[in-house]
Amino acid sequence: QVQLVQSGAEVKKPGSSVTVSCKASGGTFSSYTISWVRQAPGQGLEWMGRIIPIFGTANYAQKFQDRVTITADEPTSTAYMELSSLRSDDTAVYYCARGGIRKYSWFDPWGQGTLVTVSS
Amino acid sequence: QSALTQPASVSGSPGQSITISCTGTSSDVGNYNLVSWYQQHPGKAPKLIIYEGTKRPSGVSNRFSGSKSGTTASLTISGLQAEDEADYYCCSYAGSSTSVFGGGTNLTVL
Repeated sequence: QVQLVQSGAEVKKPGSSVTVSCKASGGTFSSYTISWVRQAPGQGLEWMGRIIPIFGTANYAQKFQDRVTITADEPTSTAYMELSSLRSDDTAVYYCARGGIRKYSWFDPWGQGTLVTVSS
Repeated sequence: QSALTQPASVSGSPGQSITISCTGTSSDVGNYNLVSWYQQHPGKAPKLIIYEGTKRPSGVSNRFSGSKSGTTASLTISGLQAEDEADYYCCSYAGSSTSVFGGGTNLTVL
C-alpha cells in the first residue's frame, strides 16, 4: 500500500523560496500523478498543480503559475514543490497527494502535510 | 478558476441523513463526471470518500453516496454517526489538466 511521506516544517522569510519533498513508498510511483494542495490556517483546500512523473510534465493552477515549480525524481520516487517569492499569506500546510494518470478524478492517499510558515 | 461553492456548515442528528451540495459551472462540474469528495478531521490529512461522482473507494462506508445534476454535485451521508463530524470538500476536474476544490463544509452531528 503506497504511502507518501513529506519533509518537515519550514520557517521562511518573505521573498524567499521553499521546497517541500514528497517520497512515495510501497507502491508504483511513475504510473500515477502527484498533486500539491495547500490549506491556509482555518481555510479550505486549494489545488496548486500536478506532475506526471513518467513524462515529467507539470500543470499549474493559474494563481500559482508564476511562482510554483513541481518536479519529480523517478529513481527515488520523490516529488518536489518549490514556491518562490513567499508572502505571509503563503503560510499554510502543504500536502502532496497521488492521483490517477488517465482520469484526474481522485487524490489518494495524501501525505501527512508540511507546515510552511512565512514570517519576518 | 473559481472555487466550487459549498455551504459553510450543515448539521444533523445521529441516524439522520444529510446532503452537502457542491455547485460549479459548465467548465468543471457540469462538463465532467470527475467530482470527488474528501473528509477531513481536525489536524488530519483529507481522506477520499467518493470519486468520479458516485464511486466509493474500498473500505469507505456505504453510508456515503454521491450524485450529480447539471452543475451541482451532492454528497449524502445516511445514518449519521458521531465520527462523521468533520469538514467535507468537493473537487472537480476543470479542464486543461487542472482541478478545483470547493470551499468546504463543516458537518456537526448534534
